[in-house]
Amino acid sequence: GQSLEQPSEVTAVEGAIVQINCTYQTSGFYGLSWYQQHDGGAPTFLSYNALDGLEETGRFSSFLSRSDSYGYLLLQELQMKDSASYFCAVRDRAGGGNKLTFGTGTQLKVEL
Amino acid sequence: NAGVTQTPKFRILKIGQSMTLQCTQDMNHNYMYWYRQDPGMGLKLIYYSVGAGITDKGEVPNGYNVSRSTTEDFPLRLELAAPSQTSVYFCASSFPPWVATSTDTQYFGPGTRLTVL
Repeated sequence: GQSLEQPSEVTAVEGAIVQINCTYQTSGFYGLSWYQQHDGGAPTFLSYNALDGLEETGRFSSFLSRSDSYGYLLLQELQMKDSASYFCAVRDRAGGGNKLTFGTGTQLKVEL
Repeated sequence: NAGVTQTPKFRILKIGQSMTLQCTQDMNHNYMYWYRQDPGMGLKLIYYSVGAGITDKGEVPNGYNVSRSTTEDFPLRLELAAPSQTSVYFCASSFPPWVATSTDTQYFGPGTRLTVL
């Protein structure tokens, strides 16, 4: 089956850079996604990597190494509004590639 | 576009009662999903559907049923509610993954907060 590991909590100061790691075990990996969820809100899509390398979207970047079964989300120029939970999710051959399996999430706290 | 809408927003059930959580999307997505999220935890897939008339179990299907008679609607039925079903329920939708190969976006509804007492 699939399993994903990410840190439960990360704290950083406003304006800093923070990296949230995700390691996974799957069979037949297709891609790694990242979602953001503010308290009480719905998850929203941030980024997706199917191939090795870095994907950049504004202040957020996501990296994937398929050979290491590892990815990370990089948040730059942190703002207070970035305080939220961040989930990595994998799509793999399970269920015919039709579903995502989510990690347990990393709660990011941005302090002044 | 309203995106993914869910009703109700909140609900309190007594043990043994039944209810249906409604989910509708107006993005013409083939794929729809139901997740539950317990406090401080990730999303666990309950059921999903790849098109009208087709549903399949996810990770935690026990105690739930679904149907998909139209592309737009994907209701989740709870029969004989139990305290263990107290959770936040999210519905999501997406295009098939092979359609959007450069991204893998699921669009989530605002959630239904269910308490079973």
